Amino acid sequence: GAVVSQHPSRVICKSGTSVKIECRSLDFQATTMFWYRQFPKKSLMLMATSNEGSKATYEQGVEKDKFLINHASLTLSTLTVTSAHPEDSSFYICSARIRDTSYTFGSGTRLTVV
Amino acid sequence: GQNIDQPTEMTATEGAIVQINCTYQTSGFNGLFWYQQHAGEAPTFLSYNVLDGLEEKGRFSSFLSRSKGYSYLLLKELQMKDSASYLCAVKDSNYQLIWGAGTKLIIKP
Repeated sequence: GAVVSQHPSRVICKSGTSVKIECRSLDFQATTMFWYRQFPKKSLMLMATSNEGSKATYEQGVEKDKFLINHASLTLSTLTVTSAHPEDSSFYICSARIRDTSYTFGSGTRLTVV
Repeated sequence: GQNIDQPTEMTATEGAIVQINCTYQTSGFNGLFWYQQHAGEAPTFLSYNVLDGLEEKGRFSSFLSRSKGYSYLLLKELQMKDSASYLCAVKDSNYQLIWGAGTKLIIKP
């Protein structure tokens, strides 16, 4: 089946540094990648939608200069959290639409900013 | 606004049956998904309903009533490994997924 590989699974970084999260589609071409953030015991919150070769579409309230999304190829999308702060600590998950009836998720990245 | 409601937490006994309800109010409807999510992991796909009725898949079944804005996930012969959160998501008129907060299911021996 369609697999999205997400790395790293866990990362701890110092406040003020930047962290890059990668999502690769291993056996299919992901023209669209969705980036989510999830707080403990809360729902998935869509941050942005990235389309290969074009600028990402950010949801209201999400700072595009802080959460940089790049979708340079059909198999790779990245999310960079710039100048991270403790409040950015969260679980970040990417997702690709396989077809209208199926979405597949990466394994998630637990970010802790200290 | 758009809203997906699910119970926050449910408890059931190993071997029993449990029904997790989901009600939704969205701008348009293009399908409803159920996902399972274990703590610290990404969601995994369980079912998809776009027409009214019951979809059965092994121990799991999902029901949809579009006129009532209602769905449920039915889990039979519960196993300890079924302890997880179950997320309901609706695809709206813009084909965007709107997610519920999830129902944490606790299975007791």
